[in-house]
Formats: sequence, C-alpha cells, structure tokens
Amino acid sequence: QVQLLQSGAEAKKPGASVRISCKASGYSFTHYQIHWVRQAPGQGLECMGVIDPSGGTTDYAQKFQGRVTMSRDTSTNTVSLDLSSLRSEDTAMYFCARGAVYTSGWTLLDSWGQGSLVTVSS
Amino acid sequence: EIVLTQSPATLSLSPGESATLSCRASQSVSNHLAWYQQKRGQPPRLLIYEASIRAAGIPATFRGSGSGTDFTLTISSLEPDDFAVYYCHQGSSWPLTFGQGTRLEIK
Repeated sequence: QVQLLQSGAEAKKPGASVRISCKASGYSFTHYQIHWVRQAPGQGLECMGVIDPSGGTTDYAQKFQGRVTMSRDTSTNTVSLDLSSLRSEDTAMYFCARGAVYTSGWTLLDSWGQGSLVTVSS
Repeated sequence: EIVLTQSPATLSLSPGESATLSCRASQSVSNHLAWYQQKRGQPPRLLIYEASIRAAGIPATFRGSGSGTDFTLTISSLEPDDFAVYYCHQGSSWPLTFGQGTRLEIK
C-alpha cells in the first residue's frame, strides 16, 4: 500500500534551517508528484510547493520562494524539504502528500505522510 | 490564486443528524474539488474528489456535489467518528489552495 514516511520532530532556533524528509513506498515513485503542505497550530492547510520526482522540477508558492528548496533522491525514493531563515511563524506541522496529475491537468493529493512537527523558538 | 471560502466555520450537531458543509471558490474550478477530513494529530484523509466521487473506503453517508464555484459536502446520519474538521481543496490551478475548514462538533 502507498506509504509516505516522514522524519521526526525538529526544534530549531530563529535564523536556522531545517530539513524534513519524506520516504515513499508502495507505488512507482517517479509517476507522482510530492507536495508539501504545512499547518500552523490550530490553523488551516497551506501549500508550500511541489516536486516532480521524475525530473526533479519544482514549483514553490510565492510566499516561500527564496527560503524553500525541495529535492529528491530516486535511489531511496525520498523527497526532502529544506526551509531556511526560520522564524517563529514557521512553527507548524509539515506534511508531504502524493499528487496524482490527471490528463486534464488537475491534481489530487491522495495520500499523506504522518507529518513532521517543526518548532522554532529561541 | 483561487480562494476557497467554507461555511459555516463551526457546525454543532447531534449524532444521527445530517450535516451540510459549503465551499465557494473565487473562480471556477470545474469539478476539480476535493474534501478532506482531519482529526486532531492526524493528517488529512481524502473523502471526496472530482466534487462527487467517494475515495476508497469512504461510506455512502458522505456525499459531495457541485461544480464551478459552489460545492457541498453532505454527511447523513452523523456518527461520533464523523466529528472532525473538514477542508475543501482545489486542484484545478496553481497554487493549490484549501478552504479554512469547517469544524463539525457534537452538540
């Protein structure tokens, strides 16, 4: 079955960087996108960006451009999210989600990782 | 960016009652709209996609409808396990966006 296994919780100081990983299994890794979605405590869901594991192409939400980098390792079926210049507002649960792209171009996030909590505090 | 507006923010109902949740898009998303259920400490769970198609394992008590800009999720005969937060989500155009959520709570 499809599984996205994320790395554990991280505690960082303001200004630091964090890397979160998402290991995929149970499907063909290069046939689906991986999206990153974050959720601040008690808040809603916010899309950060997407990576196509096939070619490594990325697209980032404007809010995060310049601070976020997504990468993939096809030898381990793992996608990573790097977020730099952390501030307290980046404290959130970060989810990876598999994105299925249909022929008409729309995307469905059909499976999710369990989430990785990032806490930013001095 | 397509903005999704959900209403109501909170819905208080009793088990056995029916719930009607709404999602309005700032521009047409055709039928490329999904609904997710999220419980505390868990990732979102896909319920409905393409506005009205139930995901695998989702009971028939969950029904999605709508197209264009107006969508509805109806949950009939509420079970205690159904009380959670529900999000609508559009996959029609980048950036993908979510509604702010509707909290379904026990009355």
